This record gives sequence, C-alpha cells and structure tokens, in this order.
Amino acid sequence: SQKIEQNSEALNIQEGKTATLTCNYTNYSPAYLQWYRQDPGRGPVFLLLIRENEKEKRKERLKVTFDTTLKQSLFHITASQPADSATYLCALHQAGTALIFGKGTTLSVSS
Amino acid sequence: DAGVIQSPRHEVTEMGQEVTLRCKPISGHDYLFWYRQTMMRGLELLIYFNNNVPIDDSGMPEDRFSAKMPNASFSTLKIQPSEPRDSAVYFCASSLSTSGTDTQYFGPGTRLTVL
Repeated sequence: SQKIEQNSEALNIQEGKTATLTCNYTNYSPAYLQWYRQDPGRGPVFLLLIRENEKEKRKERLKVTFDTTLKQSLFHITASQPADSATYLCALHQAGTALIFGKGTTLSVSS
Repeated sequence: DAGVIQSPRHEVTEMGQEVTLRCKPISGHDYLFWYRQTMMRGLELLIYFNNNVPIDDSGMPEDRFSAKMPNASFSTLKIQPSEPRDSAVYFCASSLSTSGTDTQYFGPGTRLTVL
C-alpha cells in the first residue's frame, strides 16, 4: 500500500542545534516533494520544493535533501530558534495526482 | 490579495444538523482543494476542483458530504446530517495548477465541533 511516514510525531531540541526531520514514502514515484510549516490554529504554509533530479535545496537556515533510491527526504533547520517551533509537513507530487501530505512532525525548540 | 478566505472560523453544532463551510480562493487560481485534518489521520484531501469542475472526490467520506463551486470565487462544503466523528479542522486551499512546482495556499481553516 502507499504510505508517507514522517519520522516521529514530535521532536524536541535545544536552541542552536540542528533539527532533522524525515519523510519516507512507499509505493510512490514523486517527481517533486514539498515541505510546509503549520503553526497552531493556522493553515500550512509552503517552505521549500525539491525536484527528483535535485539532491539538495537550501533557503537561509533550511536545507532539504531528496533521495529517490532511499525514497526519503530530509529537512534540516540549522541554528534552530524557539520561533522554529511548529509542525512540519512533507507533501509528494506525482503525475496525475494532487499533493499527498504526510501527517507531520511537531518540532519544539527550547531556549 | 487577502489570501484564501474561509468562514466560519469556528462552528459548533449538534448531531444531525446541517453544516456549511465556505471558501473564497485566491483570485486567478484555477484549482481549489478541500481538506480535513485530525490528529489521527493528518491532512486528508476530500475533493478538488479545476475551473469550478470537481476532478477527484474520492476522498469524500460518504454521501453526507457534498461540495460545490458555483463560480471561480466561491466554494462550499456541506455536511448533512453531521455526526460527532465529523469533528475536525477543515481547510480550503487554492493553487495555480496541480503541477509539482505549484504550491498550495491554505486558508485559516474552520474548526468544526459536532456534539
């Protein structure tokens, strides 16, 4: 069956550390993968997009990798801050379908 | 643009009542999506429209749910009759297309509680 799994429901780290979130998928062949941030009481907001032929994408303190062999994407936040605390969702796109979202990982950054 | 607009933001109703959720997408976006989010199941796609035409409604739970898009600037999601298990946050989103490079813009959501 098709599955998208994000490593854990919750991740707690200390300010200044690097947060690494994982998105694994099964029985999909995505051409693109997107990451969204969701704050409590709000809708998800787009952060980054990576194509299947790209290994890595960066935006300020954010870095995304995409390994189609491992069927995995990693989302890194370097020098994390309490303001980075939120739920992060990965979403796959494959031809002929709308985006398919994972359940998300809730990140808590403590000062 | 004000972004995707949803109303109401909160809805509390009793089992058996009809509930109507409303959405105004971003102007110029050809695609509109309705999602339901719960802790257990995450963000589930219910239905999406292209140019006001429903394309995929396979996520609609059952006949109690219906969605319409009478014009490019308005859509409704109706639940009749509502049940306690329908309690969730319902999001509307819009995008320019469904290509992988186009992102979705979400509204603030409607928190539905069915007693």
